[in-house]
Amino acid sequence: EIVMTQSPATLSVSPGERATLSCRASQSVSSNLAWYQQKPGQAPRLLIYGASTRATGIPARFSGSGSGTEFTLTISSLQSEDFAVYYCQQYNNWPTIFTFGPGTKVDIK
Amino acid sequence: EVQLVESGGGLVQPGGSLRLSCAASGFTFSSYWMSWVRQAPGKGLEWVANIKQDGSEKYYVDSVKGRFTISRDNAKNSLYLQMNSLRAEDTAVYYCARVSPTPGIAVYDYWGQGTLVTVSS
Repeated sequence: EIVMTQSPATLSVSPGERATLSCRASQSVSSNLAWYQQKPGQAPRLLIYGASTRATGIPARFSGSGSGTEFTLTISSLQSEDFAVYYCQQYNNWPTIFTFGPGTKVDIK
Repeated sequence: EVQLVESGGGLVQPGGSLRLSCAASGFTFSSYWMSWVRQAPGKGLEWVANIKQDGSEKYYVDSVKGRFTISRDNAKNSLYLQMNSLRAEDTAVYYCARVSPTPGIAVYDYWGQGTLVTVSS
């Protein structure tokens, strides 16, 4: 079973600053990694898939990188609407199992 | 416009049953894998189950195997989750989610707003 971990659990950032979120898989998931954003009371929204491809309509300030077991989501200049919880998800074992990471909360410093 | 609307949540006693529904519109429902994903209060996301376009393949997280059944009715553009032998730890918001149709990219491109299931005596 692939276990996903995310760090840090909480990231305090000032608007306009850069945020770097990490996701690690317990074994290689190749580039089969996605990132989602979730705001309070809302459903998650797909940001990144294939480790580095932005989903439709996602601003360029969001970028993803990595492969294998180490992945990064970078938000280049945080906007007020970016304060949320971010989850990574591996789909290397599709369709038999999906696994989400525990999430990183990005809050206002 | 793609829409996924869940219903059927509520309060149920431990050991009880509940059937969730998800009404899909704005796309060709029969062409997509679909899933249920849940989120316990204040916790993270947990994948629950997947179902193939024609219902011929179904997969479940270990914690619900033997208790939950995912199904679909393509004629009614609807997805279902039959939940039996419910436990307190099944308390969560349950989301219906569409799997991207792009080959090799098994991510959720659309989500419903969720329906809350509370298991408590």
